[in-house]
Amino acid sequence: DIQMTQSPSSLSASVGDRVTITCRASQGIRNDLGWYQQKPGKAPTRLIYAASSLQSGVPSRFTGSGSGTEFTLTISSLQPEDLATYYCLQYHNSPFTFGQGTKVEIK
Amino acid sequence: QVQLVESGGGLVKPGGYLRLSCAASGFTFSDYYMSWVRQAPGKGLEWVSHISSSGTMYYGDSVRGRFTISRDNGKNSVSLEMHSLRADDTAVYYCVRGTFLTGPDSWGQGTRVTVSS
Repeated sequence: DIQMTQSPSSLSASVGDRVTITCRASQGIRNDLGWYQQKPGKAPTRLIYAASSLQSGVPSRFTGSGSGTEFTLTISSLQPEDLATYYCLQYHNSPFTFGQGTKVEIK
Repeated sequence: QVQLVESGGGLVKPGGYLRLSCAASGFTFSDYYMSWVRQAPGKGLEWVSHISSSGTMYYGDSVRGRFTISRDNGKNSVSLEMHSLRADDTAVYYCVRGTFLTGPDSWGQGTRVTVSS
């Protein structure tokens, strides 16, 4: 199975800060990676697919990059509504696998 | 709009059986693979199983041999039969739609399964 290592596990940042979350795959997955946001008590929603494509309706402050084994989700200017846990997911091989999650808190 | 509505969750004893269902609407069901993802209390997301539009099934290691996924393209529904349930199967189970090209995109609101004596 492909292992996804996500870091950091949590972070605290101020409104307006730039935030970066990283996922590393245990083997190459091309660009078969998505990023998901889960707000407290809610189901996850997709932010990014194919590593760098922005889901329709998602604010442009969210960007994804990377290919192969290294991937990054960047929030260019953190907003209060971005309080959530973020997960990467590889869908290159079955079983699909998630990163461990990054909990983003607002200072 | 896309709707995925899960049902069938509840309280079951260890070793017991439960069948989850997901009713889909708002899209051409047969064009998508369907999956189940779970989240134990206070934990991260775990991929459980998915089934392709043609019926090929995949399972995570923790449920293989105990869970069975199936779909009915005529009724726009996907099910998850869960046998030999254990305490560590306790979780919210989400129904998820996806394509192999762009991955999972839409999630239901989840149904809660509690395995406890």
